[in-house]
Amino acid sequence: GAVVSQHPSWVICKSGTSVKIECRSLDFQATTMFWYRQFPKQSLMLMATSNEGSKATYEQGVEKDKFLINHASLTLSTLTVTSAHPEDSSFYICSALDRAQYSYNSPLHFGNGTRLTVT
Amino acid sequence: GNSVTQMEGPVTLSEEAFLTINCTYTATGYPSLFWYVQYPGEGLQLLLKATKADDKGSNKGFEATYRKETTSFHLEKGSVQVSDSAVYFCAPRDGGSQGNLIFGKGTKLSVKP
Repeated sequence: GAVVSQHPSWVICKSGTSVKIECRSLDFQATTMFWYRQFPKQSLMLMATSNEGSKATYEQGVEKDKFLINHASLTLSTLTVTSAHPEDSSFYICSALDRAQYSYNSPLHFGNGTRLTVT
Repeated sequence: GNSVTQMEGPVTLSEEAFLTINCTYTATGYPSLFWYVQYPGEGLQLLLKATKADDKGSNKGFEATYRKETTSFHLEKGSVQVSDSAVYFCAPRDGGSQGNLIFGKGTKLSVKP
């Protein structure tokens, strides 16, 4: 149980184009999802917290107009990297919180990540 | 603010060796504690957790005990295998039901046959 599907697993795009990454909870409902960015050999950096039906909360230093997050349903959140540039190349990972296990001690469930390369 | 300190990697061990990865944290309140594992090119998988003082989380031969007095949650395994090669993250859960995980830098483990 508690499977999070992230798609695509990798994508290559040209500079200036936009890329959408999907994060789906397959067997549970997720009121809250988190988006992270991971640089090579480094830890995960939280970009934003996404709550179903409301605007995402972005961490300091993350451009909300560049990284558009939509959480339109209890099973889907999307991250759109707009006008991508080579410096946006990274590994993006989402995680989801099971609505039915909504407590401080429940784990987050992670997707397998998306490798974005901007040429 | 909240933070996590993990031992610097990479850690290289021979198969069947004993593993310890140290983790200490600072956090407000009384966080739940988690260890996650990341295999190459993949996302994170929950390895184990502990939610209160003196709790021991265990899974796949790995163990970690919640030490409130030393704010530590060290990961141990008695006999590592090549398949344990991965990056390990210690992560307290920030306060509240919507709290995020706070990640350290991760510790890369390489196990040689």
